Amino acid sequence: DAMVIQNPRYQVTQFGKPVTLSCSQTLNHNVMYWYQQKSSQAPKLLFHYYDKDFNNEADTPDNFQSRRPNTSFCFLDIRSPGLGDAAMYLCATSRGMGEWNEQFFGPGTRLTVL
Amino acid sequence: GQQVMQIPQYQHVQEGEDFTTYCNSSTTLSNIQWYKQRPGGHPVFLIQLVKSGEVKKQKRLTFQFGEAKKNSSLHITATQTTDVGTYFCAGSGGGTSYGKLTFGQGTILTVHP
Repeated sequence: DAMVIQNPRYQVTQFGKPVTLSCSQTLNHNVMYWYQQKSSQAPKLLFHYYDKDFNNEADTPDNFQSRRPNTSFCFLDIRSPGLGDAAMYLCATSRGMGEWNEQFFGPGTRLTVL
Repeated sequence: GQQVMQIPQYQHVQEGEDFTTYCNSSTTLSNIQWYKQRPGGHPVFLIQLVKSGEVKKQKRLTFQFGEAKKNSSLHITATQTTDVGTYFCAGSGGGTSYGKLTFGQGTILTVHP
């Protein structure tokens, strides 16, 4: 089945220790998104890629970076995680934007920062 | 920037009762989507509304998009325990936010058997 896969599902890191979360998709969608979701809150968009074009949200901290080496994979790098970065990180994809932006979410990676 | 407000934040109902959640945008939307997130799960797409005044139904769920394309609602008739979860509206606007979704805060639905 076509899907969005995130690895790992749970990640524990230490304060200040870089961490990379990964996302892959078999849907062949053009757009990939990274969201941060904290407990009982809405998903907050960090950035997205339309093909190779990177789009950063204005309020996304510089501590967060992303890479999309090919259509299928997208990575979220947190260079120096702080305690406030503990959250669920959701990857999502969509075929396009505009009216064709139904988003398909992966299961998420729950990040713990010690 | 675009803001999407959703109320109520919490709703507790007895099984069989109806449930409604409301969504309001600060700007006119090109479309609005609804997602459901089960406890411990990830958001799952339910539906997209595009046209002014549009009404769509999925079994016991009724979705409406306002005439001005700034508000929307989700109504569940005769709730069941399987309806438990958080319901998010997510609006897509124009300009610099074109194609990106702004999520409402969500309504957490609890259904008591």
